[in-house]
Amino acid sequence: TQLLEQSPQFLSIQEGENLTVYCNSSSVFSSLQWYRQEPGEGPVLLVTVVTGGEVKKLKRLTFQFGDARKDSSLHITAAQPGDTGLYLCAGVKNAGNMLTFGGGTRLMVKP
Amino acid sequence: NAGVTQTPKFQVLKTGQSMTLQCAQDMNHNSMYWYRQDPGMGLRLIYYSASEGTTDKGEVPNGYNVSRLNKREFSLRLESAAPSQTSVYFCASSEVLTGYSGNTIYFGEGSWLTVV
Repeated sequence: TQLLEQSPQFLSIQEGENLTVYCNSSSVFSSLQWYRQEPGEGPVLLVTVVTGGEVKKLKRLTFQFGDARKDSSLHITAAQPGDTGLYLCAGVKNAGNMLTFGGGTRLMVKP
Repeated sequence: NAGVTQTPKFQVLKTGQSMTLQCAQDMNHNSMYWYRQDPGMGLRLIYYSASEGTTDKGEVPNGYNVSRLNKREFSLRLESAAPSQTSVYFCASSEVLTGYSGNTIYFGEGSWLTVV
């Protein structure tokens, strides 16, 4: 069982649709990050959230950290083919602990 | 601006063979990491180096060794490769350890290793 569970594991949608992916845990995290990974490349950091209830926006992407700091969500509005990739959440439980990654959500946006 | 560079990109090994994955970063970062990525498992930490001269085990260190050669370079060695080590390996670096909020980790492009 992974510390961070992501759902869904796979998502295939049409261009223009909205979607939400989730990152859940039974543990509290001091901070949580979201990454996007494209085929043949390493993950690239999208955002870091540190405060319970925090909402951050990055163009069409909205990230939310749960009030209890145990979960997070990523919402994409009007998805585009360029959003295709593997989305990973990663969290730090306590300062000094290593970053722990979830299993990822593989998103495909069809034109 | 190269960032994190790792070699080789692809490698096929026979069971029992040894090999070393090389990694270098040009961002003057103190901390470096080796992860492996398997389908549905996300990234799992193999070893890390908080600073030059130090190395520590991560979540899945068995079957691997590391060397922090200098501040720039961090290598990963498989002494006797096994099929279970077939994976994609990522080297990464950050200014300080990732356990501190707001710290950004930068990844290399990955090394695809197949053990037959």
